[in-house]
Amino acid sequence: QVQLQESGPGLVKPSETLSLTCSVSGGSISNHCWSWIRQPPGKGLEWIGYIYYSGRTNYNPSLKSRVTLSVDPSKNQFSLNLSSVTAADTAVYYCARLVVNPDYYFDYWGQGTPVTVSS
Amino acid sequence: DIQMTQSPSSLSASVGDRVTITCRASQSISSYLNWYQHKPGKAPKLLIYGASLLQTGVPSRFIGSGSGTDFTLTISSLQPEDFATYSCQQSFSPPLTFGGGTKVEIK
Repeated sequence: QVQLQESGPGLVKPSETLSLTCSVSGGSISNHCWSWIRQPPGKGLEWIGYIYYSGRTNYNPSLKSRVTLSVDPSKNQFSLNLSSVTAADTAVYYCARLVVNPDYYFDYWGQGTPVTVSS
Repeated sequence: DIQMTQSPSSLSASVGDRVTITCRASQSISSYLNWYQHKPGKAPKLLIYGASLLQTGVPSRFIGSGSGTDFTLTISSLQPEDFATYSCQQSFSPPLTFGGGTKVEIK
């Protein structure tokens, strides 16, 4: 059973960079596509971007200028960096495995980690 | 971007009830529609992909239907563990987008 676990600071100051890591267990990160999704308080889910194990990425245009995803197959981890954060980036952040089949759906998710942007 | 609109945003129901949740896309998305269940503090769970295909291990009381712009998720007989929030997601065209969610509460 594939399991994902997000980790990183729960509090980030405005204008700084939010950095999160997702650790994958129960399966290899190779040969799969991995994604980040967030949910601001009281709002719906928002897809941030995905990264293939090879490093190829695709970002949501609404966040593209501030987002960088990376993958570390040796650690079975992938990461999210979101720069120049504001209060609008306060959300629960989820990592997930994205199936591309050709439908794109998320078959395994982490529990989510809350991140607050505040000084 | 394709907008996904869910209705209702919340509903109250009793164990054993038949519950229907609707998801409408702002343009045709064929059958590229997926449904998730999420509960606070837990990993969201894929229920349905391709509009009507049941994910492995998901009980058969969860039924997805629809194509084009209008889709439904039906829970044929609500169980205590089904009280949660349900979200739809389209994958017809990037960026991937979700509906606002439907919270199913105990009556």
